[in-house]
Amino acid sequence: SQQGEEDPQALSIQEGENATMNCSYKTSINNLQWYRQNSGRGLVHLILIRSNEREKHSGRLRVTLDTSKKSSSLLITASRAADTASYFCATDELRGGSEKLVFGKGTKLTVNP
Amino acid sequence: DAGVTQSPTHLIKTRGQHVTLRCSPISGHKSVSWYQQVLGQGPQFIFQYYEKEERGRGNFPDRFSARQFPNYSSELNVNALLLGDSALYLCASSLAVGNQPQHFGDGTRLSIL
Repeated sequence: SQQGEEDPQALSIQEGENATMNCSYKTSINNLQWYRQNSGRGLVHLILIRSNEREKHSGRLRVTLDTSKKSSSLLITASRAADTASYFCATDELRGGSEKLVFGKGTKLTVNP
Repeated sequence: DAGVTQSPTHLIKTRGQHVTLRCSPISGHKSVSWYQQVLGQGPQFIFQYYEKEERGRGNFPDRFSARQFPNYSSELNVNALLLGDSALYLCASSLAVGNQPQHFGDGTRLSIL
């Protein structure tokens, strides 16, 4: 079953604009991670935010985490055509030495030049 | 440094056959996880191995099995293939278990006829 649910499912913007994607989840987490996937390729890790962190930055990326609302957001500033991809949030469930990532269905981002 | 490598990149099988997919993790990474990604969905966790021991198993039937070798490479085996097994199979490696970003390969595209 999929825990994380990204919103919106698809997003189309112009180059230079900001893109915001949201993720909601259901259970307690160890951390939450964001990944990017270009068509037909593997996933690329973007940011990992731990459950005791509220905000994290990496270059043009900003991730927030609200554990009380069980939600996270990914902001991409000054978007570029190369940012066109699907973006997934994944919750990291660590129990008894077993770790698994639970992914949402993703947000398909299109950045038009 | 080489990333996660998977072989083969594409595979076509018929119902009832079995398949073996292979994964070489990033050098120094001791944890390997397998995910199944059906078209239009996020990846679904199948297995995690760490130091050659199974650390986690997702909600997949016993037709799916895996193992990790002393050099930390891994194989995913699927028996009695069904049409619904058609998917992109992704391997991810990480240094250890817990609060670790996952590094994904480009996957094996498995098509069942």
